Amino acid sequence: KQEVTQIPAALSVPEGENLVLNCSFTDSAIYNLQWFRQDPGKGLTSLLLIQSSQREQTSGRLNASLDKSSGRSTLYIAASQPGDSATYLCAFSGNTGKLIFGQGTTLQVKP
Amino acid sequence: EAGVAQSPRYKIIEKRQSVAFWCNPISGHATLYWYQQILGQGPKLLIQFQNNGVVDDSQLPKDRFSAERLKGVDSTLKIQPAKLEDSAVYLCASSLTDAAYEQYFGPGTRLTVT
Repeated sequence: KQEVTQIPAALSVPEGENLVLNCSFTDSAIYNLQWFRQDPGKGLTSLLLIQSSQREQTSGRLNASLDKSSGRSTLYIAASQPGDSATYLCAFSGNTGKLIFGQGTTLQVKP
Repeated sequence: EAGVAQSPRYKIIEKRQSVAFWCNPISGHATLYWYQQILGQGPKLLIQFQNNGVVDDSQLPKDRFSAERLKGVDSTLKIQPAKLEDSAVYLCASSLTDAAYEQYFGPGTRLTVT
């Protein structure tokens, strides 16, 4: 059974800290890995997509890495801001495109 | 570019009633997905369409859930009859073609079954 685990489940940090969110998956035959942000009561916003041939992707203060051999991905957020407070979900897809999601990490950044 | 549109945004029904959700994907996107997200969990795929054909409906409870994508554009997801455990957010997503492309999500429909 394909599973995705995200650690920690919740995280509270002061503004300005650099932080790392972890995602592990059981299926090494992934096609893509995608990180999403979800604000309360809202849909999912795609943050970064890493294709299986890539090792990392960067967008602004966000950097995501992928290590297929160990079944791990990390999302690094630099200089966190209160506006970064949300739930962060990682998901991988096989060759059909179906996304398998983790349960998410809920982040609170305190001013 | 307009995003994925969904309606209604919220729906409250009693158990055993029926309900339908509508999704309009991003223009030109061939693949459409319906996911169910129960509170506190990650989304789970219910059904995937490629144009108007079904690619994966292995986790769709077919005794009560149905979905269609006529003309390969808009899609409707129906629940009949609803159960208490169907209370969730129903998310629609679309992507350009196959698994190589990002999925873009709509705002979701929050269903409460009482």
